[in-house]
Parts: sequence; C-alpha cells; structure tokens
Amino acid sequence: QQPVQSPQAVILREGEDAVINCSSSKALYSVHWYRQKHGEAPVFLMILLKGGEQKGHDKISASFNEKKQQSSLYLTASQLSYSGTYFCGTEMSGGSNYKLTFGKGTLLTVNP
Amino acid sequence: DVKVTQSSRYLVKRTGEKVFLECVQDMDHENMFWYRQDPGLGLRLIYFSYDVKMKEKGDIPEGYSVSREKKERFSLILESASTNQTSMYLCASSRQGPGELFFGEGSRLTVL
Repeated sequence: QQPVQSPQAVILREGEDAVINCSSSKALYSVHWYRQKHGEAPVFLMILLKGGEQKGHDKISASFNEKKQQSSLYLTASQLSYSGTYFCGTEMSGGSNYKLTFGKGTLLTVNP
Repeated sequence: DVKVTQSSRYLVKRTGEKVFLECVQDMDHENMFWYRQDPGLGLRLIYFSYDVKMKEKGDIPEGYSVSREKKERFSLILESASTNQTSMYLCASSRQGPGELFFGEGSRLTVL
C-alpha cells in the first residue's frame, strides 16, 4: 500500500521553510526520502530506521515517529536547487525480501 | 561511479507485442526493482528481486513478468503490451537490507 504524502504541491520563495509529511496505515520498519528533478532519476536523500530517529543532511532533515507511522521531511532556508518532486518510500518488514513502496510525491517549487 | 543502466531510453511498440526492458547494475547489489512512474501516481512497484532467480510481486504485477538469471541483470517483460502500459519504467538496485536505492535513467515506453 502506498504511503500518503502531503501536501501534493508547495511553492516557496528562496529562503522559506517547508515540511512534507508521509504517513502509513501499517507499521513501518524504515522510511526513505528521495528527490527527483524534472527529467532525471530519483536521488536518495536519507533513510530513517525504526527507532524514532531524526537525521539531517545540510539544511534538509527528517524525523520518523514509529508510533504514529509517520515521517516528516524538513527543508529550511530553501534554495533554488531544492526544487523537484519529493518521494517518501516505506518498508514494513526489515527482512531480506526488501520491498520499498513509494508515495505519490510532493512537487516543491522554489522561486527567486 | 555506481551505475544502473537501462538498455533503452525510448521505445515505441504496438499493442500485443512482446516487450523486454533490460536493466544492468555494476555494484554487485542483491536487490533489484522495477517501478513504473505515471503523472499523479508516483512510483509504483511492479516486481522486485532480492537474489538471483528470486522474485516477488510488487503492488501492480498484472501484465508483467520478470527474469533474473544473473545477479547484475533484471529484466521486465510485457508478454502482450497494451496501451495502458504506456509509461516511464524505472529500474533500481540496492544492497541487502534497508539502504539507498540507485535508479537508472528510465525507459519511456509508448504502446500504440
């Protein structure tokens, strides 16, 4: 089952912040975040494992609330290069037959 | 530099034709995936494989089959292409267990 992402789209001015949410109806083992620029392949941003951790990557960070089966991606002081579609991917089992299911994506546009 | 290579960037086929989409990775990864990407629907998992000759259905396997005879190669087969299989197909690979997915450039298939 696809995780649900919100919002579907967001428009920012350079320097503004944004939050993208990802939620699942089932218990999660890990959550991935990817960014895809127009005409390119998705690129890995970070992975969060079961345990409720938070991770950071420059001015992009994420949290994972295992109990709520939710993850959020935080983009602070956005740059033009942040524009693209952001996907969360969720994995439920943690076993060797690793299955990653993606949400529908959030289109982020950063304007000057 | 890590690489996932999809054999065809653009294909045009006729309804009823058999279609092969090839994917090769050079990273000795155990896991390989086939996704299709359609506007507004995100990345949907068709099939995945966690070892040679092992395969599992994803969320939308109907009308597709896969083959993994060698670790580095994962093929997606459309036995009898239909117009609703017109889409962008993305192959990805990863190491065993939860970890970064590396995506290919994609194969855009049009079925007339």
